[in-house]
Amino acid sequence: GQNIDQPTEMTATEGAIVQINCTYQTSGFNGLFWYQQHAGEAPTFLSYNVLDGLEEKGRFSSFLSRSKGYSYLLLKELQMKDSASYLCAVKDSNYQLIWGAGTKLIIKP
Amino acid sequence: NAGVTQTPKFRILKIGQSMTLQCTQDMNHNYMYWYRQDPGMGLKLIYYSVGAGITDKGEVPNGYNVSRSTTEDFPLRLELAAPSQTSVYFCASSYTESDGYTFGSGTRLTVV
Repeated sequence: GQNIDQPTEMTATEGAIVQINCTYQTSGFNGLFWYQQHAGEAPTFLSYNVLDGLEEKGRFSSFLSRSKGYSYLLLKELQMKDSASYLCAVKDSNYQLIWGAGTKLIIKP
Repeated sequence: NAGVTQTPKFRILKIGQSMTLQCTQDMNHNYMYWYRQDPGMGLKLIYYSVGAGITDKGEVPNGYNVSRSTTEDFPLRLELAAPSQTSVYFCASSYTESDGYTFGSGTRLTVV
């Protein structure tokens, strides 16, 4: 079966750095996405990785290792507004997005 | 540019009733999707469409139907609502199958 694993919940301090991990087992791979979802709102696109390595976009970076079936999202200089769920999703061989259950990130002052 | 527009935002249905969730996008995206999101679970694909006149089942299609008569519109029909269909429903679109998705604001549906 296809599976995406991420931690259910993480807590971090304002101004700090946090890394959210995602491991996947899918039938084929056509890219990995990270989305942010604030409570009661729709997911919004954060990043896309299709090749191994690090993609940096401002305070957010995403890393991919296809051989390990592993990705992480790195958030720097955490702000209170970063409190949200972070969803990892992988496109399989049929270009269908397989979603993880999300990691709820709690930021404390 | 409104993006993806979903209506209604909230709805309470009685068991056995029917309703249509509306979804419209103005980005000329070819691909459109309907997902449901339940607490503690990943988004589950109900139906998707790769273009006008073409629809296909996703992971959890039972109890739902869709149509895609135009590029812009992709309504989701619930027939004979059941408590198991209580969920948050999201419509999304993308230009190609490799692109990220743009989501609508969601419909919170409760079946009682």
